[in-house]
Amino acid sequence: NAGVTQTPKFQVLKTGQSMTLQCAQDMNHEYMSWYRQDPGMGLRLIHYSVGAGITDQGEVPNGYNVSRSTTEDFPLRLLSAAPSQTSVYFCASSRGTGGSGNTIYFGEGSWLTVV
Amino acid sequence: AQSVSQHNHHVILSEAASLELGCNYSYGGTVNLFWYVQYPGQHLQLLLKYFSGDPLVKGIKGFEAEFIKSKFSFNLRKPSVQWSDTAEYFCAVILPFSGGYNKLIFGAGTRLAVHP
Repeated sequence: NAGVTQTPKFQVLKTGQSMTLQCAQDMNHEYMSWYRQDPGMGLRLIHYSVGAGITDQGEVPNGYNVSRSTTEDFPLRLLSAAPSQTSVYFCASSRGTGGSGNTIYFGEGSWLTVV
Repeated sequence: AQSVSQHNHHVILSEAASLELGCNYSYGGTVNLFWYVQYPGQHLQLLLKYFSGDPLVKGIKGFEAEFIKSKFSFNLRKPSVQWSDTAEYFCAVILPFSGGYNKLIFGAGTRLAVHP
C-alpha cells in the first residue's frame, strides 16, 4: 500500500521554467490537496480537489495550476517558476473533505528550488 | 479571519523536562484538531487528533493534547521529553472553506530542540 506518492523529491528550476509535481494516491480518496511549507509560515493550502473533475483554489493559488482527471492523480503545475516558489510542497489526501473520522495522509514532500 | 496560532516558535529543553506547546484557533463552530510532527528531513506525521468525545487525547510516543473549547485551545503535552523528540510540531484545524468544503489550516509551527 503506497499511500500518497509524490515525485520528484528534489528539483532545481531556472526562473521562467515550467514543471509539474506529480501526486498519486492508491486509497481511492476523494479529497486531495497541495500545500507549500515555508519557514515560520507553516503549511499553506495552494489548491484542492474534492473529486475527479473538481478543483478549487486555496490560500495561495497564484502561479500554480491543477487538474484532477482521475481519482488517483492530482498534479501541480508551475507555469513560469519564480524564486518565490522555492519551497517544500506536500500533497495530501483523505476520504472526505475533512471532518469526523477522516484521517489526512501526506506525501513525503517535494523540495523545489528556483534559481 | 479563521486562523491557527502557535505561541512559541522555538523551544529549547533538556531531556526529561516537561513539554507544553500552545495552540489556539479562531473559529466558533465545530472543529477537528490535529498535531503533526516533522522530524528533520522527513515528512509530516500525525501525532494525535481530536474529533469528538474525551477532550484529553493520547497520541503516539507519549504525547497527549487537551481540547478546551471555552479557550479555543488544543495544547500539546509530554511529561518527559527525549532527545529524539527534536522536531518541528504543527497544530492544525479543519475549518470550513469556500463552496461548502473544508480545509486543513496549519499553525506556523514550533521548533523543539531537546538537549541531552
